[in-house]
Amino acid sequence: QVQLVESGGGVVQPGKSLRLSCVGSGFTYSSHALHWVRQPPGKGLEWLAVIAYDGGQKFYADSVKGRFTISKNNSNNTLFLQLNSLRADDTAVYFCARAPYFRLVGDTMRAGDNAFDVWGQGTTVTVSS
Amino acid sequence: EIVLIQTPPSSPITLGQPASISCRSTQSLVHSDGNTYLTWLQQRPGLPLRALIYKISNRFSGVPDRFSGSGAGTDFTLKISRVEAEDVGVYFCMQLTHFPITFGQGTRLEIQ
Repeated sequence: QVQLVESGGGVVQPGKSLRLSCVGSGFTYSSHALHWVRQPPGKGLEWLAVIAYDGGQKFYADSVKGRFTISKNNSNNTLFLQLNSLRADDTAVYFCARAPYFRLVGDTMRAGDNAFDVWGQGTTVTVSS
Repeated sequence: EIVLIQTPPSSPITLGQPASISCRSTQSLVHSDGNTYLTWLQQRPGLPLRALIYKISNRFSGVPDRFSGSGAGTDFTLKISRVEAEDVGVYFCMQLTHFPITFGQGTRLEIQ
């Protein structure tokens, strides 16, 4: 069964850090790009970051660039999102999602025909003093 | 960045009847390769997000054929031919043509 499972969420004070994980199973993890998306309470979805299948290329939304870092360990099928300098507006459920590949050359993006075909159930991050 | 506007924000639906959601983009979603990367997602309570449709009208594996997508350029529609109780939830459109990837604000379908 193809599956993604996130973990690592919790309650953290403003300015602190947290590392989220996303473990994949049932598919060739090393052959896929992976995305992070978040959803603040009662709101819509926001794309955050993507990493290429081999971890070589990484891209971020402007809202988190410089504070969040995406990484991937293909030897143990795990995706990470390091969250630093957390703020109250980072409070959200964080999801990982799979894509066949991701490339960004100049302004031209290629994310794959059936990107986002598998999602995790999410992990909740609450930033509060 | 591309803004996707979904209408209606919420919609009461009747079991067995059709339902329709609109997604309008502030720019054309036609990619330089000729494809249009518009995807529809479903979010049901307690379940992972589910991808329904990709490239406007292609169903992901396992998606019932009562779900269909249509449109072109900047205007897109998700249709459910006959609503079932399990279709209650929030539906999002998303675009993967222009970086960064963006989502519509969601449409909530509730049983009337």
